[in-house]
Amino acid sequence: AQSVTQLGSHVSVSEGALVLLRCNYSSSVPPYLFWYVQYPNQGLQLLLKYTSAATLVKGINGFEAEFKKSETSFHLTKPSAHMSDAAEYFCAVSGDNAGNMLTFGGGTRLMVKP
Amino acid sequence: EPEVTQTPSHQVTQMGQEVILRCVPISNHLYFYWYRQILGQKVEFLVSFYNNEISEKSEIFDDQFSVERPDGSNFTLKIRSTKLEDSAMYFCASTLGQGRTGELFFGEGSRLTVL
Repeated sequence: AQSVTQLGSHVSVSEGALVLLRCNYSSSVPPYLFWYVQYPNQGLQLLLKYTSAATLVKGINGFEAEFKKSETSFHLTKPSAHMSDAAEYFCAVSGDNAGNMLTFGGGTRLMVKP
Repeated sequence: EPEVTQTPSHQVTQMGQEVILRCVPISNHLYFYWYRQILGQKVEFLVSFYNNEISEKSEIFDDQFSVERPDGSNFTLKIRSTKLEDSAMYFCASTLGQGRTGELFFGEGSRLTVL
């Protein structure tokens, strides 16, 4: 079975500051992990994914995430926050079969202060 | 850029009424999904659909729910007799291929409010 925990339902940073959104997972098979972003009144958009290649994954809009098996983590980072990064971020893990069923974390709402 | 579109964006219904949520997946995609998010809770998988049949479904997807691809473009989710607890945002998604690494493309969601 798969599960995802996102620590912190709300994170607030100042513009220009480091963004760190935490994600821990549990998976019965080697995990494939995803970060999705949801801007207000929009659907979920893929930011990046880990599929067992490089452990440091770069995504769109300057985000990256590092897969750490020993810590069962896949935290999302961005060196310098921009006002346009304000959104809800979801971490997800792929199911243990060939299907694309995703198990999502509870989401983290990122607020960026000027 | 191709996108998944969903209608309606918001629907209000009375308990016990039937609701149909519609989705137009990306045109060359073959796998279709419904997820839902109850306010303040996680996004949850409901059902996946391929080759005109359900390939996986969750415990949430009981006999009150059904999915259909009535023509070559639409993918619908029907709730036969809505309950208060069906109030949620429903997301449709599609993907080109199967496999655990595939990217799902999501629509903007349909918000269902059951009174």
